[in-house]
Amino acid sequence: EAQVTQNPRYLITVTGKKLTVTCSQNMNHEYMSWYRQDPGLGLRQIYYSMNVEVTDKGDVPEGYKVSRKEKRNFPLILESPSPNQTSLYFCASSPIRGDGYTFGSGTRLTVV
Amino acid sequence: GNSVTQMEGPVTLSEEAFLTINCTYTATGYPSLFWYVQYPGEGLQLLLKATKADDKGSNKGFEATYRKETTSFHLEKGSVQVSDSAVYFCALSVPGGSYIPTFGRGTSLIVHP
Repeated sequence: EAQVTQNPRYLITVTGKKLTVTCSQNMNHEYMSWYRQDPGLGLRQIYYSMNVEVTDKGDVPEGYKVSRKEKRNFPLILESPSPNQTSLYFCASSPIRGDGYTFGSGTRLTVV
Repeated sequence: GNSVTQMEGPVTLSEEAFLTINCTYTATGYPSLFWYVQYPGEGLQLLLKATKADDKGSNKGFEATYRKETTSFHLEKGSVQVSDSAVYFCALSVPGGSYIPTFGRGTSLIVHP
């Protein structure tokens, strides 16, 4: 089944403890992206990648890192999480620039 | 810059009612337009899309027509069901330009039996 897989689905952590949210797609898509979704603010893009080793900042990149060492994987790294990063995070991928995304099921992160 | 404006919700309807969710956009170039649906506890799913003016996207009884003259892409369904209750997002991206897609804020739809 074609899909984008994120892990974990739920995560509670403490301020300052480094964490990684994994994202993997099995569709050989070139484009991948991370979003956060917050009430009243809609979807905001954190980082995106056009291909292996090619990443760029989205609208809200502060406090996040990404890497794209393989085409299928696009992990989101929070080096020192803070409570304002408590949010619902989505990974998404697309085969063609400008085409529609396939989204993962989301990761609900709580930083206390 | 690019932007997408959706009607604010929630939109509350009775089952079998007609649905319209308005979406207008501003964009440089010739955008592709999309509607996504997010059911409770899930990620967004692509519902339909249109890539050029006057194209009509359709899926699961939903339709939207790309209107360049009014810069709109309104979502419609003739008879909604309780299972259509979800949040609907209008979005655009401009092929050939920056790939950062632009999403609207989302419109919550609640359908009562």
